[in-house]
Amino acid sequence: NAGVTQTPKFQVLKTGQSMTLQCAQDMNHEYMSWYRQDPGMGLRLIHYSVGAGITDQGEVPNGYNVSRSTTEDFPLRLLSAAPSQTSVYFCASNGGQSLGYTFGSGTRLTVV
Amino acid sequence: AQSVTQPDIHITVSEGASLELRCNYSYGATPYLFWYVQSPGQGLQLLLKYFSGDTLVQGIKGFEAEFKRSQSSFNLRKPSVHWSDAAEYFCAVGQISGGYNKLIFGAGTRLAVHP
Repeated sequence: NAGVTQTPKFQVLKTGQSMTLQCAQDMNHEYMSWYRQDPGMGLRLIHYSVGAGITDQGEVPNGYNVSRSTTEDFPLRLLSAAPSQTSVYFCASNGGQSLGYTFGSGTRLTVV
Repeated sequence: AQSVTQPDIHITVSEGASLELRCNYSYGATPYLFWYVQSPGQGLQLLLKYFSGDTLVQGIKGFEAEFKRSQSSFNLRKPSVHWSDAAEYFCAVGQISGGYNKLIFGAGTRLAVHP
């Protein structure tokens, strides 16, 4: 049981490039979300999904897109990378409101 | 708006000493409360959670937390710290919105353990 798998683990982008961070879970969880972690700010919610075909914005959605075509996958797209998007990105899934979240191991993104 | 405050950015304790990490939250209803731990270069691991019932919650790795509604606090404790407990600790409150339990995190407390 792999839990939540994120790829890649590290990525360097040039300003203006686009890319997709991958997230997959094998626990049949309905709820999935993306967070970014910045020093001194904890984790902030970017986008989340309550099921296949349903997504919504979190606290810091600008510059990011998501889609949820399957229960398992929840990719995060950076449309035009900016240095302010340098961060560590975490994907998480949750089987229900009362359960704790399972986090992936993160993607460290640097935009130069 | 809901928020979580962890007043201590860094804490250093000696191995074997007791530990208390503070967490205060702002939330209108009965909160879902969580503590997570993050080791360097790793993801977040759930230590414990509170939803209702007994206000003293036991978690993994010998940690416990006490929910105090009157103080809007959910402090994490451990009676005897081990060197392997050195990590960053995050308190979070669950905010139900649109049928989804969003997590709002504090800024974290980094724990160092001296031998």
